[in-house]
Amino acid sequence: NAGVTQTPKFRILKIGQSMTLQCAQDMNHNYMYWYRQDPGMGLKLIYYSVGAGITDKGEVPNGYNVSRSTTEDFPLRLELAAPSQTSVYFCASNPGTSYEQYFGPGTRLTVT
Amino acid sequence: QKEVEQDPGPLSVPEGAIVSLNCTYSNSAFQYFMWYRQYSRKGPELLMYTYSSGNKEDGRFTAQVDKSSKYISLFIRDSQPSDSATYLCAMSETGTALIFGKGTTLSVSS
Repeated sequence: NAGVTQTPKFRILKIGQSMTLQCAQDMNHNYMYWYRQDPGMGLKLIYYSVGAGITDKGEVPNGYNVSRSTTEDFPLRLELAAPSQTSVYFCASNPGTSYEQYFGPGTRLTVT
Repeated sequence: QKEVEQDPGPLSVPEGAIVSLNCTYSNSAFQYFMWYRQYSRKGPELLMYTYSSGNKEDGRFTAQVDKSSKYISLFIRDSQPSDSATYLCAMSETGTALIFGKGTTLSVSS
């Protein structure tokens, strides 16, 4: 099992550009999550999904969009990137039968 | 008042020391309490999980939840240099959407 994988590892965007952060898991987990972690801060939930076709907003959804067309993939879309979106983005998953969330290695995004 | 408060430290201790990490919270509906460990430039990994009040022990680690005081703790006995990491408390009403503290950075020197 690869677990939770995220691509890219690093990315620099210019203000106003768009991009999609990819997340995939091979554990057949129903629940998937996107968090952002700013320096010296904890993780804040952006969006989550409890299954294919079902998504819901977390604490900080503004400026982001998600979709969940398959169990395995949960991409995060940034439209019109802003410097405030400079952060480390983590994707996580869990099976729904336990509370442990399995995290990916993160994507470091800088918007300049 | 923030929903979850955690002193960011940093906390520096010698090898073998007992470490106490704490979080306070304001939402009395939280039922699920977790501690995650995060090594530098890595994703967090679950260390301890407790449902409602009480204590839980796993090897050198003990998690305590006091719902009446809205206070949770993580104790690390016989701390090792490999315990050097950031420790994040996390809580949830339903076990699904987690609210994290800022994390406490711990350094254990040999």
